[in-house]
Amino acid sequence: EVQVVESGGGLVKPGGSLRLSCAASGFNFNYAWMTWVRQAPGKGLEWVGTIKSKGGGGTSHYAAPVEGRFTISRDDSRNTVYLQMNTLKTEDTAVYYCSKVRSDSCYSLECWGQGALVTVSS
Amino acid sequence: EIVLTQSPGTLSLSPGERATLSCRASQSVSSSYLAWYQQKPGQAPRLLIYGASSRATGIPDRFSGSGSGTDFTLTINRLEPEDFAVYYCQQYGRSPLYSFGQGTKLEIK
Repeated sequence: EVQVVESGGGLVKPGGSLRLSCAASGFNFNYAWMTWVRQAPGKGLEWVGTIKSKGGGGTSHYAAPVEGRFTISRDDSRNTVYLQMNTLKTEDTAVYYCSKVRSDSCYSLECWGQGALVTVSS
Repeated sequence: EIVLTQSPGTLSLSPGERATLSCRASQSVSSSYLAWYQQKPGQAPRLLIYGASSRATGIPDRFSGSGSGTDFTLTINRLEPEDFAVYYCQQYGRSPLYSFGQGTKLEIK
């Protein structure tokens, strides 16, 4: 069964840092692109960033609101992708979802975790 | 920057009716890169349609997607009680790499 599970959410003060993890199973993680999407309370879905597979270049791409503050990395030996969030702002408060990108040429997000709640508040 | 606009914002229908949801892009989107998701309260989104018209694994055939260019449609025939949820369209490839529409809430009339 294809599965991704997020962890690491919590309460953090403005200006602080937090790292989310996403553990994957049931598919060949080495070849998978992985994406983070967030959802602020009562709001819609917002793309955060995507990391390509090593074979695809291994590069990461970010949404403008998080560029320079957030970093996505991956450890293929642990089947895990990370979201390092620095200089957090109150507007970063959201549920953060990890998702697997389809391996065909459509790039849709075919498997989502249950989400990790990040609350940025003093 | 490409913007996806969904309409209507809220759609009120009864079980058994047909729902037609629209997603309009500010620039042309490759059909291969247009997807639809369903999200129920307290749950993660679920992929329904990819490549504008292909159903994801396990999605009933009452769900169908169509469209090209800047106009895409999600149609749900014979609404079931479990279909009432929020639906999002999403594109890949145009700056930003991914973007979502603001969502359409399908509610029971």
